[in-house]
Amino acid sequence: QSVLSQPPSASATPGQRITISCSGSSSNIEINSVSWYQQVPGTAPKLLIYNNSRRPSGVSDRFSGSKSGPSASLAISGLRSDDETDYYCAAWDDTLSALVFGTGTRVTVL
Amino acid sequence: QITLKESGPSLIKPTQTLTLTCSFSGFSLPSREMGVSWIRQPPGKALEWLALISGSDNKRYSPSVKNRVSINKDTWRDQVVLTLTDVDPVDAGTYFCAHIGGLREPPSLWGQGVLVTVSS
Repeated sequence: QSVLSQPPSASATPGQRITISCSGSSSNIEINSVSWYQQVPGTAPKLLIYNNSRRPSGVSDRFSGSKSGPSASLAISGLRSDDETDYYCAAWDDTLSALVFGTGTRVTVL
Repeated sequence: QITLKESGPSLIKPTQTLTLTCSFSGFSLPSREMGVSWIRQPPGKALEWLALISGSDNKRYSPSVKNRVSINKDTWRDQVVLTLTDVDPVDAGTYFCAHIGGLREPPSLWGQGVLVTVSS
């Protein structure tokens, strides 16, 4: 019962730029910070972006985040084969008083 | 260096109580700003946040499991325990614990997860 909506899949060729959207509402994304995670199936998620657009130390600058109103986006530039995996957005929801995750997007490198 | 590791039963019967332990190092929960979240992931499905506890013992629970879940910390042992009562097969999946820098902060560093199967 994910509160944040993401496209189930996205694809592009190596070297291209790809964007993943995350749609929320006035109780979560619009008023709180968004974070993004990368998850290789069978392993723990890795934090890619926090506070909408900040990268933790060690995360490539090919990954960038943005937010506008109740929606957010993750962009991956210079797409590589090892970017082919799952991505999730997350934000605090004030109405639920809970952290909510997106439905997840599987990125395919063609 | 912050590390976390989950432990608990790999198989549990329906209606039983699931108890999972998160053992961590590299930070201390008496630190008011820090805390631990629990997140689960059914096989092939999305991540679902369950609960968090802060160093000042503030607790938050997901509405989806609020009536069945509890979270507590053992400061001396550097552990956080999640309890989920009356489990059902839909509760099966991988359970992760993760470090958080504050109540509304995103989980930053995660444990490897523990796979739980619910079956009679």
